[in-house]
Amino acid sequence: DTAVSQTPKYLVTQMGNDKSIKCEQNLGHDTMYWYKQDSKKFLKIMFSYNNKELIINETVPNRFSPKSPDKAHLNLHINSLELGDSAVYFCASSHRATSSYEQYFGPGTRLTVT
Amino acid sequence: AQTVTQSQPEMSVQEAETVTLSCTYDTSESDYYLFWYKQPPSRQMILVIRQEAYKQQNATENRFSVNFQKAAKSFSLKISDSQLGDAAMYFCAYTVGNTPLVFGKGTRLSVIA
Repeated sequence: DTAVSQTPKYLVTQMGNDKSIKCEQNLGHDTMYWYKQDSKKFLKIMFSYNNKELIINETVPNRFSPKSPDKAHLNLHINSLELGDSAVYFCASSHRATSSYEQYFGPGTRLTVT
Repeated sequence: AQTVTQSQPEMSVQEAETVTLSCTYDTSESDYYLFWYKQPPSRQMILVIRQEAYKQQNATENRFSVNFQKAAKSFSLKISDSQLGDAAMYFCAYTVGNTPLVFGKGTRLSVIA
């Protein structure tokens, strides 16, 4: 009964490959996010979706393409992977109807590009 | 743009003692929300405590409490009776509502037995 789940938790791949990370939340939330945590542990927003619509797209290379097939899922596809894409990617969710707007995070996906 | 600053990259505390982690933020908004998240070595992001800016009363969750100074834009976290399991990265975060969190760079807390 995990609230926010991500698959895979670890991903090791070579430069130039294409890979996807999947995220699912069973909290009934209407907003989902992708964050990137770099090697210095800094967390930064990449994308934000509300009711399957892209709301925020920070300065992210267009090799990164999020897709939200429904409100419970937000996937991240990365084309032509580069060494600099190595990081931990977190999915999170929240709901506008809550009074505190706290975000629930998935376990993270550690991506290593060799 | 909103920014969150954590001025202490690393802190340490003796077991059973009290430690305070600092956080300041910059915003022109009057209504917003502040959080402290804990990230242990497992890398899971765990919500420790939250504070709504419109509430004057400081939030408390068991051994964790905050000192929220709205005029000074300060939001420090106090951990009382520190335990070995408190060792982790702690992130201060800000949002104006159902929008992405803006994080500080984190403070690594070590607990000494």
